[in-house]
Amino acid sequence: GAVVSQHPSRVICKSGTSVKIECRSLDFQATTMFWYRQFPKKSLMLMATSNEGSKATYEQGVEKDKFLINHASLTLSTLTVTSAHPEDSSFYICSAGQTTNQPQHFGDGTRLSIL
Amino acid sequence: TQLLEQSPQFLSIQEGENLTVYCNSSSVFSSLQWYRQEPGEGPVLLVTVVTGGEVKKLKRLTFQFGDARKDSSLHITAAQPGDTGLYLCAGPSNTGNQFYFGTGTSLTVIP
Repeated sequence: GAVVSQHPSRVICKSGTSVKIECRSLDFQATTMFWYRQFPKKSLMLMATSNEGSKATYEQGVEKDKFLINHASLTLSTLTVTSAHPEDSSFYICSAGQTTNQPQHFGDGTRLSIL
Repeated sequence: TQLLEQSPQFLSIQEGENLTVYCNSSSVFSSLQWYRQEPGEGPVLLVTVVTGGEVKKLKRLTFQFGDARKDSSLHITAAQPGDTGLYLCAGPSNTGNQFYFGTGTSLTVIP
């Protein structure tokens, strides 16, 4: 079946560091990928829609300059948390589907901890 | 944003009991998916419902899509401890440019 790989699975770093998270679709091409943030025991909050070859679409309240998204190929989207601070600590998850109207396949998430 | 409200938010039941989780919206969805998520992992797809009034069964889980395609339900029969997890409904926006999740239902089945 379709598989989405997310890397790294866990990051612990100092405040002020920029962190890059990769999301790859392994056996299908994804023109669109989604990035979510999840707090403990809460649902997934959509941060942005990553579009291959064009700018990402950010949800209201999500800082574009803080969360940089690049979707340079049909199988790879990256989320960079720039100058991360403790309040950016969270579980970040990406998803991809062959179309946005089809079920999404999820990476295993990245646990980001900023000290 | 197309909101998907789930109820209840938390549910703790004894093994063998039945339960129903609801997913409601004021918007029409072309399809809805149900996912189950365990701590530290990504959501895993359980089912997709597309047609209004559709009912799908997956072993002890029964999923229904409302006639107007604005709501859905998940019914679990004879719950088992292995059913414990966060259950999420989700669906694409009208434009297809976003994919939104419901508010989630955290289920705990006590042995």
